[in-house]
Amino acid sequence: DAGVIQSPRHEVTEMGQEVTLRCKPISGHDYLFWYRQTMMRGLELLIYFNNNVPIDDSGMPEDRFSAKMPNASFSTLKIQPSEPRDSAVYFCASRRRQGDTGELFFGEGSRLTVL
Amino acid sequence: AQKVTQAQTEISVVEKEDVTLDCVYETRDTTYYLFWYKQPPSGELVFLIRRNSFDEQNEISGRYSWNFQKSTSSFNFTITASQVVDSAVYFCALSEARPGTASKLTFGTGTRLQVTL
Repeated sequence: DAGVIQSPRHEVTEMGQEVTLRCKPISGHDYLFWYRQTMMRGLELLIYFNNNVPIDDSGMPEDRFSAKMPNASFSTLKIQPSEPRDSAVYFCASRRRQGDTGELFFGEGSRLTVL
Repeated sequence: AQKVTQAQTEISVVEKEDVTLDCVYETRDTTYYLFWYKQPPSGELVFLIRRNSFDEQNEISGRYSWNFQKSTSSFNFTITASQVVDSAVYFCALSEARPGTASKLTFGTGTRLQVTL
């Protein structure tokens, strides 16, 4: 089975530009999570979805960040406008419904550099 | 609030040595899950183990073993006879397990393990 697929793997952009990160969760998984990893703050949960509905976006740093999940097989994380402090690795993860093992399956991450 | 502390920022060992990575957690939940993930230099996060709070049995998987002690809120990870391929950052994580929740993971800051020849 294919794992969680993220794109792009690497993105370099200039401050002020819009950035869109994409994620395809594992088929059949009901939950999707977006995490951000930085040296300073480690792994932080940004937002998660259950059955395509955003449940908790309290980790989204500010209004410049938005996330959508239009269907069960696709999610986007958008930053507009981007700033240098947004430079990080962004991970998407998915898992099955509540009552299952609780294990998150992570994608390989999207490394974002904002100049 | 949940919190996971990995006090060891970086550990360096010589191949074949045993090494223990410490993890201490805080939670008000009576039921929860504990995890270990490995992040090799390639960057992906690889699941290693999940442990329920009501199951304090230690677990061994090959060269890996985990010691869960609820009395001290610790979930330590030992690698026996370490190998260069074990070099990675290891994360301990905690999640709630209440019905209806999504079991969000709270991660520790990670321990970087360097195994040299």
